[in-house]
Amino acid sequence: KNEVEQSPQNLTAQEGEFITINCSYSVGISALHWLQQHPGGGIVSLFMLSSGKKKHGRLIATINIQEKHSSLHITASHPRDSAVYICAVSGGGSQGNLIFGKGTKLSVKP
Amino acid sequence: EPEVTQTPSHQVTQMGQEVILRCVPISNHLYFYWYRQILGQKVEFLVSFYNNEISEKSEIFDDQFSVERPDGSNFTLKIRSTKLEDSAMYFCASSADTGYYNEQFFGPGTRLTVL
Repeated sequence: KNEVEQSPQNLTAQEGEFITINCSYSVGISALHWLQQHPGGGIVSLFMLSSGKKKHGRLIATINIQEKHSSLHITASHPRDSAVYICAVSGGGSQGNLIFGKGTKLSVKP
Repeated sequence: EPEVTQTPSHQVTQMGQEVILRCVPISNHLYFYWYRQILGQKVEFLVSFYNNEISEKSEIFDDQFSVERPDGSNFTLKIRSTKLEDSAMYFCASSADTGYYNEQFFGPGTRLTVL
């Protein structure tokens, strides 16, 4: 069974700072997902990637399949980026159910 | 933009009662999932559903749980006899194709409180 570890668990940043959240997993995967969970609880998919790098606005996600590691970067962070960021990997089941990390709680101060 | 919807947003029930959580997946999606998140803990997989049958289920998904797609739009999770430890946020998700290569779209969640 895949184990997903995220670091740090909590992160406080000043507005404008460059932020990195890390994710590592124990077993080879087909795809890795980065998700955002707001205080109200809803989950939004940010990225799904199986290799290389993806960029969307100020968010960049990278993955190194050989090292079983992914990073989520936020450039020019803003208070509205405050949320829990969750890494999840496809669980190996036939329909790609996800195994989640515990999440990184990000707080960006103005 | 199409979205997954869930009702109710919050359900309070007494221990031992049956609850049904409802989800309307995105209309052209074929794969459906239920996940739960106990307060302060990580999200956990419960069950996946495809072609009108369960594809995968976790050890959490025991005999008190069942899922159904009663019509072409709804996808339901039933908990037959709720326990205190069933209190959690329950998320429905759907994807157009197998989740390995396709994004899963999550609903806003139903917060279940068992008293």
